Amino acid sequence: DADVTQTPRNRITKTGKRIMLECSQTKGHDRMYWYRQDPGLGLQLIYYSFDVKDINKGEISDGYSVSRQAQAKFSLSLESAIPNQTALYFCATSDVGERKQYFGPGTRLTVT
Amino acid sequence: RKEVEQDPGPFNVPEGATVAFNCTYSNSASQSFFWYRQDCRKEPKLLMSVYSSGNEDGRFTAQLNRASQYISLLIRDSKLSDSATYLCVVNLRYDDMRFGAGTRLTVKP
Repeated sequence: DADVTQTPRNRITKTGKRIMLECSQTKGHDRMYWYRQDPGLGLQLIYYSFDVKDINKGEISDGYSVSRQAQAKFSLSLESAIPNQTALYFCATSDVGERKQYFGPGTRLTVT
Repeated sequence: RKEVEQDPGPFNVPEGATVAFNCTYSNSASQSFFWYRQDCRKEPKLLMSVYSSGNEDGRFTAQLNRASQYISLLIRDSKLSDSATYLCVVNLRYDDMRFGAGTRLTVKP
């Protein structure tokens, strides 16, 4: 079984809809991250969490919110989806004291 | 100027060739450096960390030049399975990983 899982893997939604992307991990890592990737661009950090009580904005947090329900779960919400949020979304984890990050398989989101 | 810049490629090379990618970064305070590999529409996977003294992992060699602020990846004896996009990643601190846009490599028979 994969260490970092994301659901759904693909989603098409309409402008204005609320949508939640979920991430679960079995690696036992405290640190979790949400990124988006657009064609021709590097991954950009949306939000990150260093433990259940610690949530921080990344470089592109506008239009997004997150919830850290447990050490193993970190959800990303788009409150009112817009077409320029169409992208590939990745969840990642890292261990305390380790800078390497481990990525989930990604969610391909299309907003029409 | 982007914080991490890579030649987007594509690099098209025959099997068995040696190919090198470079990456430059703008923040001299950067602390950690990595190469990730990303197959089409899949998640990035860590290929190797990059150390100041340079390091090798089989056919892959990574170099770091802090004075010039660039990182390189050399792939020897290219295989078809090496076809992928290679991401240069620079880390300032735990919450600040900066990704290059990637260099696309295609290895042809």
